[in-house]
Amino acid sequence: EIVLTQSPATLSLSPGERATLSCGASQSVSSSYLAWYQQKPGLAPRLLIYDASSRATGIPDRFSGSGSGTDFTLTISRLEPEDFAVYYCQQYGSSPPTFGQGTKVEIK
Amino acid sequence: QVQLQESGPGLVKPSQTLSLTCTVSGGSISSGDYYWSWIRQPPGKGLEWIGYIYYSGSTYYNPSLKSRVTISVDTSKNQFSLKLSSVTAADTAVYYCAREFPADYWGQGTLVTVSS
Repeated sequence: EIVLTQSPATLSLSPGERATLSCGASQSVSSSYLAWYQQKPGLAPRLLIYDASSRATGIPDRFSGSGSGTDFTLTISRLEPEDFAVYYCQQYGSSPPTFGQGTKVEIK
Repeated sequence: QVQLQESGPGLVKPSQTLSLTCTVSGGSISSGDYYWSWIRQPPGKGLEWIGYIYYSGSTYYNPSLKSRVTISVDTSKNQFSLKLSSVTAADTAVYYCAREFPADYWGQGTLVTVSS
């Protein structure tokens, strides 16, 4: 199975700053079938990005995804207070689908 | 708007079978070309995909759980279900049902604790 490694584990930033989250895959992700989710405490994950760079319905344009092959990035251009959460990447190009271990974006 | 809701016992004894149901509203399981999944998250940890059932009834399970998992669908009730046998404390988690790959709609999740 494809192992996804997210870095950093924790990102401490202030509102208004830019956040850059990385997701590395142990093998090439087929057809860039990579997604990003946001999860807040006590809630289910919310889909932000699919197919590496497409925003899901209703997701603000401050969220953007990029990358291909084994290296992917989620960028939040200017952090809003509601963006402080845990972010997970997931590949769904190979079975079984797998998730990264998460990056926590916390308020500095 | 599609909504998913998990239901089932919150406490299961070790070695027994965990059974959960996901009720889908706002859309028919059998009318679309969708995958319907179960995903779990141990307390304070990351996400693990358990398996899916396609609207046609075909299934795929995570190899790490395959020997213990069964996912089925009841189109008349617009539900799909999860059974996980021979549970241990390691199966304690919040269990989510979700639609599609990647998962665009999720249930709120239900905590299942394995304890005697």
